[in-house]
This record gives sequence, C-alpha cells and structure tokens, in this order.
Amino acid sequence: EDKVVQSPLSLVVHEGDTVTLNCSYEVTNFRSLLWYKQEKKAPTFLFMLTSSGIEKKSGRLSSILDKKELFSILNITATQTGDSAVYLCAGQTTSGTYKYIFGTGTRLKVLA
Amino acid sequence: GAVVSQHPSWVICKSGTSVKIECRSLDFQATTMFWYRQFPKQSLMLMATSNEGSKATYEQGVEKDKFLINHASLTLSTLTVTSAHPEDSSFYICSARPMGRDSYEQYFGPGTRLTVT
Repeated sequence: EDKVVQSPLSLVVHEGDTVTLNCSYEVTNFRSLLWYKQEKKAPTFLFMLTSSGIEKKSGRLSSILDKKELFSILNITATQTGDSAVYLCAGQTTSGTYKYIFGTGTRLKVLA
Repeated sequence: GAVVSQHPSWVICKSGTSVKIECRSLDFQATTMFWYRQFPKQSLMLMATSNEGSKATYEQGVEKDKFLINHASLTLSTLTVTSAHPEDSSFYICSARPMGRDSYEQYFGPGTRLTVT
C-alpha cells in the first residue's frame, strides 16, 4: 500500500531559527514529490520535485528529493511567525490518474 | 491562472439530509478532478477521482452510494453527501488537473466545511 510519512509531527521554534522537515515515501510508480503549506484553508503549492539531488529554492524555502533513499526534505531558514502552518508532502503516482498520496503533515509553530 | 472555486464554503445541514458541494475550474478545463476529506488535525485523504463523462473512481473504504460524484462538464464536478450523519462533518477539498498540461499538477479549491447536526 502506498504511504507517505512525515516527521516530526509538530515543531515549535523561535523566529530566526532554521527548520528541516522530513518526508519519506513508498509510492508505486512514483512520479513526483510535492510540498504544500496549509494554514486555515486549502493547501498552497510550494514545490514539485521529480529529479533526485536537484534543490529547488523559493526565498527562504528550499527542498530536495532523494529517489534512491525515498525521501525529501523541506528547509526553512530565518523562520518568521508567518511560516506557522501545517506543511504537507504528497507523493504522486503515475498509476491511474496521477493521484496524490498525502502525508500526515508537520505542524510548525514559530514563536516571536 | 489555474483558479478553482468551491461552493458553498460552509454549510450546516441536519442529519439525514443531503448536501451538494460544487467544484469549478474557473480559467481552465479539467478532465480530472479529485475530492479529498480532511478531519481536524489530520491530513488530506483522497476520496475519489472524478473524470469528465465517466464514472468516478472511489478509494478503498469510501462508500460510492453515500458520496455521489458527478463530473458533467470540463469545468464542474459535484460531490453530494447523501443521508448525512454527524460523522460526515469534515472539511471537503477538491482539486483539478488542467487538461493537456505535462506537469500533472493539481490546483486546489478553498474547501467546504460541512457540519451535520
């Protein structure tokens, strides 16, 4: 059965800290790994990773995929209170209709 | 671009009634739409995949007679929760995959919060 596991489940840091969120996956016919940020409503897209070892970067956020070890990390540097959210990763399969399998999420709280 | 809307954003209904949730892709056509359910402090669970013009594909454990999905056009899919019970109270989110794009990315709607009393 396909599954995506994230760690830690929750994390509390202070502004300015750097955090690393982990995502491991077992997805049949894997195509891509995605990261989303969810605050009150629907998830907002952060990254889609399809190739191993190539870092994707957007401002203070970056992410990388390791297809050999089946995991990805999301880094956030110089955290701000606005980064407080649930971060979801999802594995995409090519089976069927390219559906996503979401992980449990990491709840990040950044204290001022 | 790639905006998905849902209606209503919030609905309260009485136990035993049915409620319909609409998902629309506003500026693109989508042959495939996905319906997710999210309970408080839990992740998104895929309920079903909706394909325009054909029957929806339900995930294991999801009752297709209770959660009716219709994808009548390339911009609209509906989810009807029939004979709703309090345990159906949840956050329902749809997503749509643009037709013809190579990235196979999904664009999410803002979600519908259903409360069954």
